[in-house]
Amino acid sequence: SYDLTQPPSVSVSPGQTASITCSGQRLGSKYICWYQQKPGQSPVLVIYEDRKRPSGIPERFSGSNSGNTATLTISGTQAMDEADYYCQAWDSDTVVFGGGTKLTVL
Amino acid sequence: EVQLVESGGGLVQPGGSLRLSCAASGFIVSDKYMSWVRQAPGKGLEWVSIIYSGGTTYYADSVKGRFTISRDSSKNTLFLQMVSLRAEDTAVYYCARIIRGGNSGYAFDMWGQGTKVTVSS
Repeated sequence: SYDLTQPPSVSVSPGQTASITCSGQRLGSKYICWYQQKPGQSPVLVIYEDRKRPSGIPERFSGSNSGNTATLTISGTQAMDEADYYCQAWDSDTVVFGGGTKLTVL
Repeated sequence: EVQLVESGGGLVQPGGSLRLSCAASGFIVSDKYMSWVRQAPGKGLEWVSIIYSGGTTYYADSVKGRFTISRDSSKNTLFLQMVSLRAEDTAVYYCARIIRGGNSGYAFDMWGQGTKVTVSS
């Protein structure tokens, strides 16, 4: 089975840049999505097709994907960005989620 | 309004069965790829099953043979029939719509609020 690996936690100061990585074999050959989930809420799509933002997602969210690593970057991180973030890819006809990264803004 | 509303969760004994429903509004379920994703307490997201617009279905190994995804076009509703439930199936179950991006990448663009399933004696 295909695995996606994320760091359990990332910390960032308000206004700084947060980077959350997602690693998998030949990940750059797949499209990656990123989801934000705040406590008690459903996940929200923030990046799809590696780097595209859905309507309503702030420009400070960006993504990249190359080699074995995809990265979600949040520029000018705000307190409201504190959440769990999950990467997701497709492996043939099945879906794989990373284990999730808790982003703390402090 | 475009939305997904799940129902059918609850407390069930090990070995029991449950059917989850996901009522869609604002779009046609059978025109889209639809999926179920679950989240055990304090854990991450786990993909469960998908149904393509053409009707083909796929399952995670952890539920294969026990769970069945289906849809009813007349009710515009997605279902997940779960049998032989185990304690490890305890989770919040989300239904989600899948869209295709301009480069043919697929993404879960809409999620329901989730319905809680607890398997315990």
